[in-house]
Amino acid sequence: GAGVSQSPSNKVTEKGKDVELRCDPISGHTALYWYRQSLGQGLEFLIYFQGNSAPDKSGLPSDRFSAERTGGSVSTLTIQRTQQEDSAVYLCASSLSPTAYEQYFGPGTRLTVT
Amino acid sequence: QKEVEQDPGPLSVPEGAIVSLNCTYSNSAFQYFMWYRQYSRKGPELLMYTYSSGNKEDGRFTAQVDKSSKYISLFIRDSQPSDSATYLCATPGRGAQKLVFGQGTRLTINP
Repeated sequence: GAGVSQSPSNKVTEKGKDVELRCDPISGHTALYWYRQSLGQGLEFLIYFQGNSAPDKSGLPSDRFSAERTGGSVSTLTIQRTQQEDSAVYLCASSLSPTAYEQYFGPGTRLTVT
Repeated sequence: QKEVEQDPGPLSVPEGAIVSLNCTYSNSAFQYFMWYRQYSRKGPELLMYTYSSGNKEDGRFTAQVDKSSKYISLFIRDSQPSDSATYLCATPGRGAQKLVFGQGTRLTINP
């Protein structure tokens, strides 16, 4: 079946602009995660959604970052007033359930803030 | 101390060699471990996962967990140029859903 998809694949934006990144999880997967991968920091957890439960936002680096998940499927990660340090690859992953530790990743969105 | 530590390499070996990739973890309560492979400009791909101690084999790949030393390993036999990638170890840590990753080891297999 289809894997996790993300769009856009690349995004270049000017400092101070807002950006939206989209994730479509694997059909039937109830858990959805956002991670960020940068050269200096490796792969870092950002936020986790499971069903209708309140999301785990413990990894969001600042209040400029937010995410939502509509209808238990598609998710959007929004970064407001982007800064150069936000430049990274943003990865989305999904898993079958919260007790299934195996997470399947999308190809990522490469964000460059100029 | 980081929860998972991994030597970033780079590691370069000739085709056909046995490759050993390693991580250490900080908390003896960690039970579940995963290895991901990431090709350049792609997302991480789940390669193998193991629970608790022991070995798990899948084709040319073997994952090993040594809980006494808090050490996890991935062995690649008969390595191929197509195995050239970054390999990341990961664990859910203290039972949380979020994964904690090692820094990743960049591996190159030379023909």
